[in-house]
Amino acid sequence: DIQMTQSPSSLSASVGDRVTITCQASQDISNYLNWYQQKPGKAPKLLIYDASNLETGVPSRFSGSGSGTDFTFTISSLQPEDIATYYCQQYDNLPPTFGQGTKVEIK
Amino acid sequence: QVQLQESGPGLVKPSQTLSLTCTVSGGSISSGGYYWSWIRQHPGKGLEWIGYIYYSGSTYYNPSLKSRVTISVDTSKNQFSLKLSSVTAADTAVYYCATQVRWNPFEYNYWGQGTLVTVSS
Repeated sequence: DIQMTQSPSSLSASVGDRVTITCQASQDISNYLNWYQQKPGKAPKLLIYDASNLETGVPSRFSGSGSGTDFTFTISSLQPEDIATYYCQQYDNLPPTFGQGTKVEIK
Repeated sequence: QVQLQESGPGLVKPSQTLSLTCTVSGGSISSGGYYWSWIRQHPGKGLEWIGYIYYSGSTYYNPSLKSRVTISVDTSKNQFSLKLSSVTAADTAVYYCATQVRWNPFEYNYWGQGTLVTVSS
């Protein structure tokens, strides 16, 4: 299985801050990467697909980039409603696998 | 707008079979083009893909669970189901059913609300 390693595992930032999460794949996955947001007690929500495409209805402060093995997820200006855990997911090889998650909190 | 709803026992005894059903509304499983997946999340942990089924009945399972997993579909009821045999405490998790909007069967736009299954005697 392809291992997905996210960093950091948690972070604390102020409202309005730029937040960056990285995801590294154990092998080349091209751009076959999605990003999800999960709030406590809720199902994950797709934010970014194919590494950099913003899902319909998702605020433009969210963005993704990268290809190959190294990917970045950015919140350009952190809002209180962005408090959640974020997961990357690869689907280049089966089975699809997820990163361990990054918990984002407000400072 | 597709909606998914998991149902099934919240408590299963060790060595028994976990059985869950996902009821689909707002769309038809048999319309084709979509894959219907199960994903689980151990308490406080990350996400693990279990497998998927196509309306025709073709399946793919996570090799780590393949020997214990069966996913089936009932197009007449617009439901698909998960069976996981010989469960242990390690199978305690929130189980989600999910599906996609676009062509990619691994891009999950629609999720059920999740159901917690506890394995305990």
